[in-house]
Amino acid sequence: DTEVTQTPKHLVMGMTNKKSLKCEQHMGHRAMYWYKQKAKKPPELMFVYSYEKLSINESVPSRFSPECPNSSLLNLHLHALQPEDSALYLCASSLRQGANEQYFGPGTRLTVT
Amino acid sequence: KNEVEQSPQNLTAQEGEFITINCSYSVGISALHWLQQHPGGGIVSLFMLSSGKKKHGRLIATINIQEKHSSLHITASHPRDSAVYICALGGNEKLTFGTGTRLTIIP
Repeated sequence: DTEVTQTPKHLVMGMTNKKSLKCEQHMGHRAMYWYKQKAKKPPELMFVYSYEKLSINESVPSRFSPECPNSSLLNLHLHALQPEDSALYLCASSLRQGANEQYFGPGTRLTVT
Repeated sequence: KNEVEQSPQNLTAQEGEFITINCSYSVGISALHWLQQHPGGGIVSLFMLSSGKKKHGRLIATINIQEKHSSLHITASHPRDSAVYICALGGNEKLTFGTGTRLTIIP
């Protein structure tokens, strides 16, 4: 299994809603990543987990809250988002954090109304 | 100056043409990645290079560490190759992405 899965594929939420994005991999990778991508721009790193511990937080607002409950699962909890948070949210994993090849999921397209 | 620069930003070619996309960088790296993203889609890793050349089907990637330059070549291009191609620098902790090259292959 060389796949990173993400759910849901699409999400529309209001500014007062609480929702979660889910990412899963069963490749034995111990690094997992959340990226945000706006239209026609490269991905921007948000968070990195290494061995289920938060390794990097790229000064992301607290309305985004990551969680890594186990080595296969990565969540991104969303609360009180703004319309400018609408974007494609990509999850990725790699064997270890750093130079290893990253495997990307298909993304969740989030619209905040 | 950006750490990684790609050229061209946009490229339109006829089906069957040989395609070259370039990536130049200014920092030390442990590896260089070439990624492909179709419109509205997720990202696929094409190559990870630390030296020399790699080939997969019609795709070839080369890297010159001394000159800090990499190229991605597509032979016998096909409309399904239309996508954004992103060069990313691999460091100790994370990737640094280029701005991408938008490739359109016309039948």
